[in-house]
Amino acid sequence: DAGITQSPRHKVTETGTPVTLRCHQTENHRYMYWYRQDPGHGLRLIHYSYGVKDTDKGEVSDGYSVSRSKTEDFLLTLESATSSQTSVYFCASTSGSAYNEQFFGPGTRLTVL
Amino acid sequence: SQQGEEDPQALSIQEGENATMNCSYKTSINNLQWYRQNSGRGLVHLILIRSNEREKHSGRLRVTLDTSKKSSSLLITASRAADTASYFCATAGDSSYKLIFGSGTRLLVRP
Repeated sequence: DAGITQSPRHKVTETGTPVTLRCHQTENHRYMYWYRQDPGHGLRLIHYSYGVKDTDKGEVSDGYSVSRSKTEDFLLTLESATSSQTSVYFCASTSGSAYNEQFFGPGTRLTVL
Repeated sequence: SQQGEEDPQALSIQEGENATMNCSYKTSINNLQWYRQNSGRGLVHLILIRSNEREKHSGRLRVTLDTSKKSSSLLITASRAADTASYFCATAGDSSYKLIFGSGTRLLVRP
């Protein structure tokens, strides 16, 4: 594994509460990504970053925000969690070109009650 | 929307047999990648094939790419129980920072 970790690994929260997931990589990768994985949908891109303070939306960005203040950290925030955001969240990173292979973290299982 | 769509959705084979998975996509690509995901784990990159390549090998893996048909196949030869996992294709477009993943093929290799 390319030294990419996620925290927490599991979280249960209630509807309406804010939640922040953290992704940390030690590879000095420029590009970082947040995906969610749901049965029957594969991986869907939420947000991505192409440098410190440079972020953009993916295909399912509603209800999510991100921040990247350091190369190694990429935070995903659910401002007010909803049950539809119950999912497994994966962070990934890649170096050099965005066309290169991506290295994935172990995932965070989030349950919103 | 999904760019890559895998076929079949699920595949069950006996150990030692070959497994073939297919991926179709819709738009022009820079490259196509295959990933494996073991249950409860993150995805692991297997192989990348560029748009100007037609075939690539890595150990027991063989990937083909047909850009005229917008399709790719992943062949795992002499499968092992440890190959049991979900396999995803992902496409990198010509002008994009991102990969778009298909919904995956679940492979079960029976001992």
